[in-house]
Amino acid sequence: GEDVEQSLFLSVREGDSSVINCTYTDSSSTYLYWYKQEPGAGLQLLTYIFSNMDMKQDQRLTVLLNKKDKHLSLRIADTQTGDSAIYFCAEASYNTDKLIFGTGTRLQVFP
Amino acid sequence: DAGVIQSPRHEVTEMGQEVTLRCKPISGHDYLFWYRQTMMRGLELLIYFNNNVPIDDSGMPEDRFSAKMPNASFSTLKIQPSEPRDSAVYFCASMTGTRRSPLHFGNGTRLTVT
Repeated sequence: GEDVEQSLFLSVREGDSSVINCTYTDSSSTYLYWYKQEPGAGLQLLTYIFSNMDMKQDQRLTVLLNKKDKHLSLRIADTQTGDSAIYFCAEASYNTDKLIFGTGTRLQVFP
Repeated sequence: DAGVIQSPRHEVTEMGQEVTLRCKPISGHDYLFWYRQTMMRGLELLIYFNNNVPIDDSGMPEDRFSAKMPNASFSTLKIQPSEPRDSAVYFCASMTGTRRSPLHFGNGTRLTVT
């Protein structure tokens, strides 16, 4: 079945860039997503990328997709303490309506 | 719009009791999903509905779990009987039918079974 993998933790200094990585197994993925979860809340969509794109930039966020290696990354420039949260990668296949989520990466930003 | 509304926010119950979790999706959304989140297993899809019809319930752990969607504005997830290993945060999420539309999550129900 489909599988989405992420590293569990990332710690960065305020002002540095953060890069969160994700790998997936489903080669028929059409859309790939990044969600953010703050404590005590549900997940919120940050950004998404269509599978025929290599890169998408949205203000401080840059998404890179390597479809050959099934690797997705999220770069957060000038990371702030408010960026501390759990970040989930998710993928959707063309033939299903459900999203498969990764394990989540807990980002901790220290001053 | 108030977003996806889940109730209760917290539920503490004893093993063997019936638990019912409730969800009101965003008006106009025709997909509804139930997820479970634990430290050990991460975010697991339990079941999802399209136009009130269950489409995929392959993630429902066992027969103790059941979900219904009697109308477009209400869904329930029931566990009977509950067990300590059911302790988790249960999320409901809804979206419209286009792939680029985001999945909107509720704030979850934290279930503790003692």
